[in-house]
Amino acid sequence: ELKVEQNPLFLSMQEGKNYTIYCNYSTTSDRLYWYRQDPGKSLESLFVLLSNGAVKQEGRLMASLDTKARLSTLHITAAVHDLSATYFCAVDILGGSEKLVFGKGTKLTVNP
Amino acid sequence: ETGVTQTPRHLVMGMTNKKSLKCEQHLGHNAMYWYKQSAKKPLELMFVYNFKEQTENNSVPSRFSPECPNSSHLFLHLHTLQPEDSALYLCASSQDSGGGTDTQYFGPGTRLTVL
Repeated sequence: ELKVEQNPLFLSMQEGKNYTIYCNYSTTSDRLYWYRQDPGKSLESLFVLLSNGAVKQEGRLMASLDTKARLSTLHITAAVHDLSATYFCAVDILGGSEKLVFGKGTKLTVNP
Repeated sequence: ETGVTQTPRHLVMGMTNKKSLKCEQHLGHNAMYWYKQSAKKPLELMFVYNFKEQTENNSVPSRFSPECPNSSHLFLHLHTLQPEDSALYLCASSQDSGGGTDTQYFGPGTRLTVL
């Protein structure tokens, strides 16, 4: 059974600081997704990582994937308050299934 | 309407009621999903439909009954629910290209409270 673990689950940081959220998964996978969820809202797709060494950047967020270590990171650079949200990673079960397994999410709060 | 829409957005029901959740996707996708999001638990996949055929039932109790009349519409019929079924129910859709899961696009969710 594929397990996906995120840490930390809660992150409080000051504006302007950098931090990294980690996503570990237990079995081989060929796709990893990062989503953002604002309170009371739905999940918004941020990144899709498709291969070992993949790196994608959008604004102050950068995601990377190491399939050998079964690890993805979401790096936040010079955080701003608008980044406050819950971030989820989700892993595709290898084999062409439509099934995604989600981590528990990291609730990020950026304080002024 | 664009993207994935869900109705109602909020629902309060008693344990003996029967209600239905509706999801519609306007993205031309061929796969649709129901997820349950509870406090303190990871997002749980409930059902997957691909080209209107159910391809995944993640050991969901029979008091939840999905229906997919076409690739654009997905329903979740609810009956004799329990208070622990209170949660946010999210619908999603994706384009299944046969080579693995494509990005899933989520609806706004239905906040369900069972009294």
